[in-house]
Amino acid sequence: GDSVTQMEGPVTLSEEAFLTINCTYTATGYPSLFWYVQYPGEGLQLLLKATKADDKGSNKGFEATYRKETTSFHLEKGSVQVSDSAVYFCALSAATGNQFYFGTGTSLTVIP
Amino acid sequence: NAGVTQTPKFQVLKTGQSMTLQCAQDMNHEYMSWYRQDPGMGLRLIHYSVGAGITDQGEVPNGYNVSRSTTEDFPLRLLSAAPSQTSVYFCASSYYAGRNYGYTFGSGTRLTVV
Repeated sequence: GDSVTQMEGPVTLSEEAFLTINCTYTATGYPSLFWYVQYPGEGLQLLLKATKADDKGSNKGFEATYRKETTSFHLEKGSVQVSDSAVYFCALSAATGNQFYFGTGTSLTVIP
Repeated sequence: NAGVTQTPKFQVLKTGQSMTLQCAQDMNHEYMSWYRQDPGMGLRLIHYSVGAGITDQGEVPNGYNVSRSTTEDFPLRLLSAAPSQTSVYFCASSYYAGRNYGYTFGSGTRLTVV
């Protein structure tokens, strides 16, 4: 069945460091792919999405490219800030039907 | 502001008590769902609905009931609370047209069962 696998954390980076959080998926057909962010004590917020192969989603300096050939949707940011400290979830929406699958989340801490 | 509203934000129950977690959205989304979030386990789907009058079970439905009498509301009922139901509960909604186009989440209900 469809599933999402993302790198385990926690990840700790210094401010202005480069961030990559890996996400790979297994799916039938052409799913939509998402990254969500959860700040402490809050719900999940949609960070970015891509709905077809080679699409690049971007928001707040974060980017992810939908790679069909490697079944990946890695999250990147060139220079992280302390305010980026949060838990990041990769997610997949099946090509048809109701199913929506989340990864287990990656905790990021950025230190000054 | 448009969005998903969950109440209450915090709740403590005794084992065996029942309660209803409220969820309302004002975006006219067809699709609504309930998730629970537990440490190290990510988000697990409890129940979902693709429209008023239509509900279905997710991955972990036991001990929970739902109904969807209106497009806006999707309450989650705990029938007889157990300590294993201690968790953070999130309601989410989305536009749906044969596939899910991405959720809007509520801010969560933190439930403790003692």
